[in-house]
Order: sequence, then C-alpha cells, then structure tokens
Amino acid sequence: DAGVIQSPRHEVTEMGQEVTLRCKPISGHDYLFWYRQTMMRGLELLIYFNNNVPIDDSGMPEDRFSAKMPNASFSTLKIQPSEPRDSAVYFCASSRPTAGRMGNSPLHFGNGTRLTVT
Amino acid sequence: AQRVTQPEKLLSVFKGAPVELKCNYSYSGSPELFWYVQYSRQRLQLLLRHISRESIKGFTADLNKGETSFHLKKPFAQEEDSAMYYCALSGGATNKLIFGTGTLLAVQP
Repeated sequence: DAGVIQSPRHEVTEMGQEVTLRCKPISGHDYLFWYRQTMMRGLELLIYFNNNVPIDDSGMPEDRFSAKMPNASFSTLKIQPSEPRDSAVYFCASSRPTAGRMGNSPLHFGNGTRLTVT
Repeated sequence: AQRVTQPEKLLSVFKGAPVELKCNYSYSGSPELFWYVQYSRQRLQLLLRHISRESIKGFTADLNKGETSFHLKKPFAQEEDSAMYYCALSGGATNKLIFGTGTLLAVQP
C-alpha cells in the first residue's frame, strides 16, 4: 500500500488564484482528515469526513476554504481566492473506524502539500 | 473544550542526556493520548499511544489524569531522535485528533 497520497507536493500561486489540493486515502479507511501546519499554530484540524460525509468543518478558517469527498478514494481541499496568509503545509490523513475497546485508530498521514501564496 | 498544550517550541539536549517533552491536555471525558513524530523529510507518523503502554524507540509516556499530562520521556537521547514531536488527544468515538503546537527536539552530538 502506498499510503495516503497527496498532490501536488508543492504549489506556488499568486494571491487571488484558486488552489486545489488533492488526497487519496488508504483503501478501507473510513475517516479522512485535512490539517494545516504552520510554525505558529502547529497542526490545526480543518475538516474531517466519515464515509464521505463531512462531520466537523468547524476548523475551516473562512468561506474561502471548501472541501469535498465525492467518493471513498478521493478528496479535495479548495481555496478560492487564495491569500498569502494561507501559505502553509496542508496534510491529509486517513484512519480506520474506531476499534471499540482497542481505542481509536491511529491516523496515517500523507506527505503534505506545501502551499506558497505570493 | 478539547485542548492540547505543548509549552516548549524547542528543546535542545546533548546526546546521552535525558529527554522530557511536556504535554498537558484539557478534556472533560476519558481521552486517548498519542505522540506523533515527524522526522526530517518524512511524513508524520504515530510514535506511541497511552492505551498500548509500550516503549517505542526507548520513549515512554504515562497518562497522569490527576495532572492531565502525558509527557514523553527517554532516558538517553540519540542524535536520530531529532525531530518534531506532536502530542495529540482524541475523545469519544470519532477518531478526531486534536494536536498540540509541537516541540522540536534537537539532539546535539
């Protein structure tokens, strides 16, 4: 298994442009998460899905951010329009369903997309 | 509200010295606590979880509910331990993980 796959690895764009980040979770994982990593704030949860349904999007910073999961093997995070303060590393992660008394399943992360908005 | 606090952004120690990365949490129920590690140019990965009560790469962490802490410890640091360490909390049955801001551990030769 190749693990969680994210694309692109790097994205440089100008302010005002639309940015689309992509994620392919591990097959069989029912949960998918989008995180943003910055030096100041660490890893922030933006949104997560369960069985392709958005469960909690309270971490999405503004209406400029949107995420979709049209099927179990694909998700996108879109920023429109992008701004310089959106520059960060965006991680996608997936996990299996919770395992009852075995505890919550660990997250498997992708390599991230480093976004730079100039 | 769920919250994870890692008070140190950077911890620098010499090889062979003991290491303690601090983590405190806030959660009203029974949380699950994790430590994730990100080595240079590698993806973030699970290091250990309190429910497993195991030692990974010489690291241990004990959940102290009285002090609401889950500090990560290693008696003798190695240079290859240099990495970014994140403490994380999960509550309920949602698999949702809340991370702290991370601590960069730098082990000097």
